[in-house]
Amino acid sequence: AQSVTQPDIHITVSEGASLELRCNYSYGATPYLFWYVQSPGQGLQLLLKYFSGDTLVQGIKGFEAEFKRSQSSFNLRKPSVHWSDAAEYFCAVGILTGGGNKLTFGTGTQLKVEL
Amino acid sequence: ETGVTQTPRHLVMGMTNKKSLKCEQHLGHNAMYWYKQSAKKPLELMFVYNFKEQTENNSVPSRFSPECPNSSHLFLHLHTLQPEDSALYLCASSSRGSGRGNEQFFGPGTRLTVL
Repeated sequence: AQSVTQPDIHITVSEGASLELRCNYSYGATPYLFWYVQSPGQGLQLLLKYFSGDTLVQGIKGFEAEFKRSQSSFNLRKPSVHWSDAAEYFCAVGILTGGGNKLTFGTGTQLKVEL
Repeated sequence: ETGVTQTPRHLVMGMTNKKSLKCEQHLGHNAMYWYKQSAKKPLELMFVYNFKEQTENNSVPSRFSPECPNSSHLFLHLHTLQPEDSALYLCASSSRGSGRGNEQFFGPGTRLTVL
C-alpha cells in the first residue's frame, strides 16, 4: 500500500528566508505526487503536481518541488517566504483505482512565518 | 457559486441527533469524495462516488451514510454519532477521465462537533 511521510510537524522560518518542506513516499509504481496547502478554516488548495517528465515542477505562489526517484522524495521549496505563506502543507500520492483517483496524504507540516 | 461549496460550515450536534452535510460542485466533474480531517492525523478518505455510484467505502461506520443523487451533489447523513467523530469533513471532486493525475478540488469543509 502507498504511504506518505512528512517528517516535520512544525517549521518556523523568517520572512524572506528560503523554505524546504520534506516529503517521502512509498509506492510500488511511478507515483503521481501532489502538494496542497490549507489555510485556517479553508479547504485544500493545490500548489503543484508531478506526473512525469521534468522532475522539477513549478507551482502557484512561487513554489516548486523536485521529484527524486532514488530518494523517494518530493520536497517543496520556495526561495523567499512571505508572511501569507503561513499555513499547513500536505503532500499526497495519487493512484487510480476502480473507484477513481485516490489520494493518500501525509500528516502535514505546519508552517509559521516570523516577521 | 464557483468551485466546491459545503454547507453548513459549522455544526454542533448531540449524539442522538440526525443531521446532513451537503456538498455541491460547480466544475462539471464526475467523481466526488468525502474526507475526514482530525487533529494530528492524515486526511482519511471515507467515500468515493463516480457518476453517482459509490465505488469506495473505506470501512466507514454505518452511522455515516452518504448519498449522491447526481454528479453535482453529495450528502453525508449523520446519526447517533460519537464525540470522536468531531472533525473537519471535507468534500472534493475531480474529473475521472484521464487517469490518476487528476487534481481533486476541495471545498472549505464542515467543522463538526459532537457533544
